Amino acid sequence: EIVMTQSPATLSVSPGEGVTVSCRASESVSSNLAWYQQKPGQAPRLLISGASTRATGIPARFSGSGSGTEFTLTISSLQSEDFAVYYCQQYNVWPPLTFGGGTRVEIK
Amino acid sequence: QVQLQESGPGLVKPSQTLSLTCTVSGGSISSDSYYWSWIRQPAGKGPEWIGRISPTEIRGRTNYNPSLKSRVTISVDTSKNQFSLKLNSVTAADTAIYYCAVSGVWTAFFHHWGQGTLVTVSS
Repeated sequence: EIVMTQSPATLSVSPGEGVTVSCRASESVSSNLAWYQQKPGQAPRLLISGASTRATGIPARFSGSGSGTEFTLTISSLQSEDFAVYYCQQYNVWPPLTFGGGTRVEIK
Repeated sequence: QVQLQESGPGLVKPSQTLSLTCTVSGGSISSDSYYWSWIRQPAGKGPEWIGRISPTEIRGRTNYNPSLKSRVTISVDTSKNQFSLKLNSVTAADTAIYYCAVSGVWTAFFHHWGQGTLVTVSS
């Protein structure tokens, strides 16, 4: 099973600032990596697939990069609606499909 | 666009079977373009993929998380545009929000999710 490790667990950021969330895979997942955003009481929402391709309707301030075992999600200028928990998920080697433990982006 | 809605009991007793149904609207569950998955999320933790099904035999019908495979069955009812989850011999560790979700055939990320349903295992 591929283990996905996210860091940090929590980020405290002021609106308007940029933020980077990291995700590491226990072995290479190529570019088969997705990012999701989850707000309280809601299901996760797909942000990015293929490590860097934004899903339909996702603002350009969200960007993803990386390949192999190291990935990052960058939000260039945090808006109030971006405060949420972010998860990575690999879909290169499975079953099982696996998710990271999440990074909470909170208001500083 | 595709919409998914989970339904089923919110409380299950230990050792019994958890049963949930996902109703799909805005698209046909019989499409060979999609796989239909169940995912769960315990409070404060990341999601855990349970398994998936394709209604199309040619795709190989089901895949399960090895950690749950011995207790899980996912089935599909194309006449009702629904798919279902059964998890037997439940314990408190199975308490979670359960989601149904859809992915493509060749790319197993989830582009649509249901709203989720909380299932608590308790006597």
